[in-house]
Amino acid sequence: EVQLLESGGGFVQPGGSLRLSCAASGFTFSTYTMGWVRQAPGKGLEWVSGISGSGGSTYYADSVKGRFTMSRDNPKNTLFLQMNSLRVEDTAVYYCAKGRIGFGEFDYWGQGTLVTVSS
Amino acid sequence: QTVVTQEPSFSVSPGGTVTLTCGLSSGSVSTSYYPSWYQQTPGQAPRTLIYSTDSRSSGVPDRFSGSILGSKAALTITGAQADDESDYYCLLYMGSGISVFGGGTKLTVL
Repeated sequence: EVQLLESGGGFVQPGGSLRLSCAASGFTFSTYTMGWVRQAPGKGLEWVSGISGSGGSTYYADSVKGRFTMSRDNPKNTLFLQMNSLRVEDTAVYYCAKGRIGFGEFDYWGQGTLVTVSS
Repeated sequence: QTVVTQEPSFSVSPGGTVTLTCGLSSGSVSTSYYPSWYQQTPGQAPRTLIYSTDSRSSGVPDRFSGSILGSKAALTITGAQADDESDYYCLLYMGSGISVFGGGTKLTVL
């Protein structure tokens, strides 16, 4: 059974940093692309970033480019999102999601972790 | 910047059929965008319904189907049930590793 468990969310002031983790199990982690998707309170889903199976390629939405860094530790089956220079508008539930084949589609989702950026 | 468009809201009667669409602010959606569809109820994580235009994800009832209708991707629910009342999101792959969600459609079953 595929399981994705996010952690690391919390409260941070504007300009601060936070590192999210996503522990994966139930599939061969290094084989699949992964993504982060967020949802601001009362808003829709927003694709944030994606990473190849090897971790050698990463992609970001314009809204986070240059501030967020996605990475993965394949031996530890863990996905990361390092978030720097956080803004109030980054407040959201952050979901990690497993890619189906390649980029562009997700088949499994974690339950999400809440990030609140406020002064 | 390309915007992915969805109807903000839709209503369907129990047992009825509804088609939600997913378009582009500029251009047409084709299978090359690998359109996928996700269902989300309040407070829950999204659930994958459809991938690669028309393939149902594991465990999804066959009353959910995906297609390309004209210039848009479409999600059709046949025989709508009360628990289909949810938010529905489409996701399009823009290439070069980038994907974009539509704004979502709030479906009411009444």
